[in-house]
Amino acid sequence: AQKVTQAQTEISVVEKEDVTLDCVYETRDTTYYLFWYKQPPSGELVFLIRRNSFDEQNEISGRYSWNFQKSTSSFNFTITASQVVDSAVYFCALGEAGGSGVTQGGSEKLVFGKGTKLTVNP
Amino acid sequence: EAGVVQSPRYKIIEKKQPVAFWCNPISGHNTLYWYRQNLGQGPELLIRYENEEAVDDSQLPKDRFSAERLKGVDSTLKIQPAELGDSAVYLCASSFGGGFGEQFFGPGTRLTVL
Repeated sequence: AQKVTQAQTEISVVEKEDVTLDCVYETRDTTYYLFWYKQPPSGELVFLIRRNSFDEQNEISGRYSWNFQKSTSSFNFTITASQVVDSAVYFCALGEAGGSGVTQGGSEKLVFGKGTKLTVNP
Repeated sequence: EAGVVQSPRYKIIEKKQPVAFWCNPISGHNTLYWYRQNLGQGPELLIRYENEEAVDDSQLPKDRFSAERLKGVDSTLKIQPAELGDSAVYLCASSFGGGFGEQFFGPGTRLTVL
């Protein structure tokens, strides 16, 4: 069964500090997708990144970077030089595509972790 | 471009009352999702539509929940009758195609059942 664990419930940092949000997942599928979403106080989840199981390259986008390690089933998210506007709840999510890949009309269910609330203080 | 629109933003009802939520997805997005997010939890999928067809409703409590997406655009999620445990935020999302593409979320409807 799919499972996503975000062990850090809440993190509080001071502006300009670097912070890493942990995500550990469980899946039996060979083909799957990993996501990070940001949920600011307004409530709308904002897509940050999608990674498929065959692409273990780390990714950097501005102050954001992601470390995908299949060996440890982890997909961690680092914010460099955090800012107050980064304060939000961050969700990691897993989507299983099935061993043969994604099929139209199949069960394309995203399973979310419980989220990590990040507070960046000025 | 307008995002996903949901209404109402907040709803307070007494238990056993019916309630309905409305969602207007981003124009051109054929896939629509309804999620429920309990306090302190991540969203959980209730139902997914491809155009007007519900292709995954395995998580929808069908005894009291129903949904429709007429003409493959707007969608309505209904609860009848509501129970105390239904208090949550109901999120609508849309995407262009399925296949785990980027989902765009609306602001949600916060339901409180008294």
